Amino acid sequence: GAGVSQSPSNKVTEKGKDVELRCDPISGHTALYWYRQSLGQGLEFLIYFQGNSAPDKSGLPSDRFSAERTGGSVSTLTIQRTQQEDSAVYLCASSANLMYQETQYFGPGTRLLVL
Amino acid sequence: AQSVTQPDIHITVSEGASLELRCNYSYGATPYLFWYVQSPGQGLQLLLKYFSGDTLVQGIKGFEAEFKRSQSSFNLRKPSVHWSDAAEYFCAVPLSAGNKLTFGGGTRVLVKP
Repeated sequence: GAGVSQSPSNKVTEKGKDVELRCDPISGHTALYWYRQSLGQGLEFLIYFQGNSAPDKSGLPSDRFSAERTGGSVSTLTIQRTQQEDSAVYLCASSANLMYQETQYFGPGTRLLVL
Repeated sequence: AQSVTQPDIHITVSEGASLELRCNYSYGATPYLFWYVQSPGQGLQLLLKYFSGDTLVQGIKGFEAEFKRSQSSFNLRKPSVHWSDAAEYFCAVPLSAGNKLTFGGGTRVLVKP
């Protein structure tokens, strides 16, 4: 079956612009995660969804970052007024549920460059 | 604080040689542990995971890992490396509610012909 897909693959934007990153999880997966991978910070958790709700937004680095999930499926991560330090690869993952032993399946990522 | 450490940032190995990547964790209880691999320009792919039972875990692509509680380690091994194993490897632990993964810093593996 289809894996996790993300779009766009690459995004170049100017400082101050807003960007939207999309994640399409594996069908039937109730849990969805966003991570960020950057040179200085490594891989870090941003936010997760159980269904359409986001119980934990603790990893979002600032209030310029927001995310939503609709219909228990597609999720969008929005970054407002982008800054150069937002440049990173944004990875989405999904899993069947929130059990600790469940595997998280990752998408290929969106590489964001803020000029 | 709970954490995962990968002491080696880079490892260079000759094709056909054995490989061992180190992972140490700091966690009160017996953790669940994962190894992921990231090939250039790709997302993360699960190699193997440990959550109970046999401490030697077999994974895909010929990899295995051994959980050692006494050493707080979960090292990844492969007996004979192929050029296609050149990638970055991450050890991870799911922490707290929501199964959020905390990753080690990663080990980049370079395979020499």
